[in-house]
Amino acid sequence: NAGVTQTPKFQVLKTGQSMTLQCAQDMNHEYMSWYRQDPGMGLRLIHYSVGAGITDQGEVPNGYNVSRSTTEDFPLRLLSAAPSQTSVYFCASSPGDEQFFGPGTRLTVL
Amino acid sequence: LAKTTQPISMDSYEGQEVNITCSHNNIATNDYITWYQQFPSQGPRFIIQGYKTKVTNEVASLFIPADRKSSTLSLPRVSLSDTAVYYCLVGDPGTYKYIFGTGTRLKVLA
Repeated sequence: NAGVTQTPKFQVLKTGQSMTLQCAQDMNHEYMSWYRQDPGMGLRLIHYSVGAGITDQGEVPNGYNVSRSTTEDFPLRLLSAAPSQTSVYFCASSPGDEQFFGPGTRLTVL
Repeated sequence: LAKTTQPISMDSYEGQEVNITCSHNNIATNDYITWYQQFPSQGPRFIIQGYKTKVTNEVASLFIPADRKSSTLSLPRVSLSDTAVYYCLVGDPGTYKYIFGTGTRLKVLA
């Protein structure tokens, strides 16, 4: 099992650009989520999904969209990047209790 | 959603037992308590989860009093490699909406 994979590992964007952060898991977990972590801070929940076709907002959803068309994939879309979205983004999947985290995507918005 | 409060940082020496306490006064009936460990530049890693009384696994113990308004993560005989940030989360596994707090930065000294 590859577990939870995220691409890209690093990304630099200009203000106003859009992009999609990819997340995939091969553990057949129903639950998936996206977090952001700013320097020296805890993780903040952006969006989460309890199954294919079902998504919901977390603490900080503004500026981000998600969709869950398959159990395996949960992409995060930045609609119009802003410097405030500079952060490390973590994707996680879960069978219902323990969450398994990916290695993260480090995003810089100039 | 129940918020959690933890000490910002703790120091310990190798070989000592470390106890990290988390307050969660607004914990709901269906909420479980989960602890994660995070090393720099990595995603969090699950340590332990419990609902009440005491839970023990190969790496830690979790003590939860009867009122469930707090919990204590106990790490026996810490080593330098236990230096990390430890997060306490409270949430309902059925909703999958977990909120991370600011965490406790544990530093283990030789």
